[in-house]
Amino acid sequence: DSGVTQTPKHLITATGQRVTLRCSPRSGDLSVYWYQQSLDQGLQFLIQYYNGEERAKGNILERFSAQQFPDLHSELNLSSLELGDSALYFCASSPSQTGTGNTEAFFGQGTRLTVV
Amino acid sequence: GESVGLHLPTLSVQEGDNSIINCAYSNSASDYFIWYKQESGKGPQFIIDIRSNMDKRQGQRVTVLLNKTVKHLSLQIAATQPGDSAVYFCAEISSGGYQKVTFGIGTKLQVIP
Repeated sequence: DSGVTQTPKHLITATGQRVTLRCSPRSGDLSVYWYQQSLDQGLQFLIQYYNGEERAKGNILERFSAQQFPDLHSELNLSSLELGDSALYFCASSPSQTGTGNTEAFFGQGTRLTVV
Repeated sequence: GESVGLHLPTLSVQEGDNSIINCAYSNSASDYFIWYKQESGKGPQFIIDIRSNMDKRQGQRVTVLLNKTVKHLSLQIAATQPGDSAVYFCAEISSGGYQKVTFGIGTKLQVIP
């Protein structure tokens, strides 16, 4: 158990809908990262938050947004869903911003999103 | 219908042998690299990291080699065990301004008992 909790584990929804994925980082970790893992594109970094502020952005679509709350949990919002959004969405947390000191990131078990 | 998935490179290794997994990275400005292991149904798990000012780093049964000249990273696993069977990803991180993390597509390691 990595200490990172993601809910829900599975989600099935229809095209055009909006969903929210939730991540609780390990206790004390300030950084939260979101990743998408699809069958045809491997693991893609989406976005990073550090202590409530956006720190780094990857290949995140405009239809997707995220935020980190004062209690450090994070939510990833996916809207106007398309079939191609079906994927595993992982959250990871680490104590610090990557590149300084201990940069190990711990991953949650992921949320499997299926868009039908 | 049939599902179309990512065709990962696969490395099959006999139990007890050494494994070498390779990764080519793209950004010469990347200053930090990580190897992750992902077992079926689980999230990626950190194995070992290396900074760009190093060319080798050793952990327990694992060694990472970095060749910046050809932008190549390798993960060596000594005395490979059945529990090492998984998909292995490399990640390159470039700092400065907005930090960027790029993952390789992964290599599937199959250990033959």
